[in-house]
Amino acid sequence: GAVVSQHPSRVICKSGTSVKIECRSLDFQATTMFWYRQFPKKSLMLMATSNEGSKATYEQGVEKDKFLINHASLTLSTLTVTSAHPEDSSFYICSARGSGRRAITDTQYFGPGTRLTVL
Amino acid sequence: GDSVTQMEGPVTLSEEAFLTINCTYTATGYPSLFWYVQYPGEGLQLLLKATKADDKGSNKGFEATYRKETTSFHLEKGSVQVSDSAVYFCALVPRSYNTDKLIFGTGTRLQVFP
Repeated sequence: GAVVSQHPSRVICKSGTSVKIECRSLDFQATTMFWYRQFPKKSLMLMATSNEGSKATYEQGVEKDKFLINHASLTLSTLTVTSAHPEDSSFYICSARGSGRRAITDTQYFGPGTRLTVL
Repeated sequence: GDSVTQMEGPVTLSEEAFLTINCTYTATGYPSLFWYVQYPGEGLQLLLKATKADDKGSNKGFEATYRKETTSFHLEKGSVQVSDSAVYFCALVPRSYNTDKLIFGTGTRLQVFP
């Protein structure tokens, strides 16, 4: 089936630095990508939706200047956490929806997630 | 607003036991309902789905029936295996949205012992 990868799987950074997380669709074209955040023992919360070549749509309460999303190609989206602080520590998960031989239309395929720890 | 409620885990079972993970939802209209599974170290995978009332989704021996009258979508399997150990997420996509915005429950961890 369709595969989505994320890099890095874990990252530890100092407070005030910026961190970039990559999300790639490996064997299909992702016309839409989603970024989620998961707190311990909580459900996944949608942060933003991005369509290739256009600006991301952020959910209410998500700071777009804090969480920069770029969806520059049909196989890559990036999430940059700018000026990270300890409260940004979380598990970030991306998903992709698209078309191709290996992707079922209207189905979201999820990456394995990135654990961010801000010291 | 729209929401999904799942039973808290972990659910601990012996191999070949019967599994039920409860899921209820609150939504306007008729949402689409999903079960996702997350194996250790992997991303969420779609397990099954149902798009209208009385539909039954099934996959890999798992089943769930869309019950509009009880607003439920309970996951069941007749005989679990050790390899079924994972976290299971119930989710919905509201009909009122033009996008496929998934709303998730908190997840239920299943542990199956030999």
